[in-house]
Amino acid sequence: GAVVSQHPSRVICKSGTSVKIECRSLDFQATTMFWYRQFPKQSLMLMATSNEGSKATYEQGVEKDKFLINHASLTLSTLTVTSAHPEDSSFYICSARDWGGGETQYFGPGTRLLVL
Amino acid sequence: RKEVEQDPGPFNVPEGATVAFNCTYSNSASQSFFWYRQDCRKEPKLLMSVYSSGNEDGRFTAQLNRASQYISLLIRDSKLSDSATYLCVVNRNTGGFKTIFGAGTRLFVKA
Repeated sequence: GAVVSQHPSRVICKSGTSVKIECRSLDFQATTMFWYRQFPKQSLMLMATSNEGSKATYEQGVEKDKFLINHASLTLSTLTVTSAHPEDSSFYICSARDWGGGETQYFGPGTRLLVL
Repeated sequence: RKEVEQDPGPFNVPEGATVAFNCTYSNSASQSFFWYRQDCRKEPKLLMSVYSSGNEDGRFTAQLNRASQYISLLIRDSKLSDSATYLCVVNRNTGGFKTIFGAGTRLFVKA
């Protein structure tokens, strides 16, 4: 199946710093990628939809100025958590749709963020 | 009410048991349906798509009832390695493509 990578897999940072997470589709082109957040024992919650060449679409309640998304190419989307705070500590997962393969989403391995 | 609702779980079953998970969705515009499996501290992985005609993959059988807006997953002859959280996932394309995840049902298979 399609492969999606994410980097870094884990990051620990101080409160107030910014953290960038990369999501890459390795063997297919993804015009749309999705960014999710998952808190412990909860389901994935969609944060935003990342569209190549255009602005991301954010879900209600997600601050676009705090969670900056850039979809620079057909295989790369980045999420930057700006001025991170402890409450931003979570598991961030990206996914991409393989348009050639229908509506299945393939997920990256996730990035575990801990803000001290 | 959540758009996708699942059995709360957890399900604790012995090896070899048959276990069934249920899921309901509220948006009739939903168009595609999946079961994903998520292991602890890992990303979700596609288990199988779900069709109205029903589909089977080894020990796993999935069924969709559009009239009742109900999705099921049956696992036969449970293995220890089946222990995971099972996510019911629904796609719809109203006002833009969106994927809705159920909260998941945890399964523990014991020896």
